[in-house]
Amino acid sequence: DTEVTQTPKHLVMGMTNKKSLKCEQHMGHRAMYWYKQKAKKPPELMFVYSYEKLSINESVPSRFSPECPNSSLLNLHLHALQPEDSALYLCASSQDRGGLTYFGNGTRLTVT
Amino acid sequence: GEDVEQSLFLSVREGDSSVINCTYTDSSSTYLYWYKQEPGAGLQLLTYIFSNMDMKQDQRLTVLLNKKDKHLSLRIADTQTGDSAIYFCAEINNNAGNMLTFGGGTRLMVKP
Repeated sequence: DTEVTQTPKHLVMGMTNKKSLKCEQHMGHRAMYWYKQKAKKPPELMFVYSYEKLSINESVPSRFSPECPNSSLLNLHLHALQPEDSALYLCASSQDRGGLTYFGNGTRLTVT
Repeated sequence: GEDVEQSLFLSVREGDSSVINCTYTDSSSTYLYWYKQEPGAGLQLLTYIFSNMDMKQDQRLTVLLNKKDKHLSLRIADTQTGDSAIYFCAEINNNAGNMLTFGGGTRLMVKP
């Protein structure tokens, strides 16, 4: 099983809303990641959690707030987003940082 | 630098072989990957190669690695319409905190 599950698949939110993206893996991986992908571009790294601790924040605005409640779950809390934040948000995991990395199918976010 | 480069587009006929090329920068990369992304989907880990290997074959897929030239290629034999997708090569870049560094992606179009 190399599955990373993301919910919801699609999300439309206004600029004043608060919403959360969820990610789950049951492969026993200890590194989990959030990426942002704009159309026709490669994914861009946002955050890295290693052993449930935030280890990398790639200068992401504070309107994006990650959370790792346990080793299987990763959330991304969204608040006061801008239309330019509309993108595909991908979660990924690997055994450790730098290992084989598996991606979920993403959440397609539209900010209106 | 940390650039991983790929050509933007490749068009082949069904049944032909496809070869997607990639150049990378970090000579100390331990893994080099190929990911496939179909429209509206996440990234599927298609195959990977360890840096101490020259070639890896997996059914219709052949990965060739030339470490001297920092060149990676993916050959798809008997290309099918279902192979139409964007293909990203990626390296684990030690200069980027052991994180994935992606190429810009090659859009493969398979014509019937």
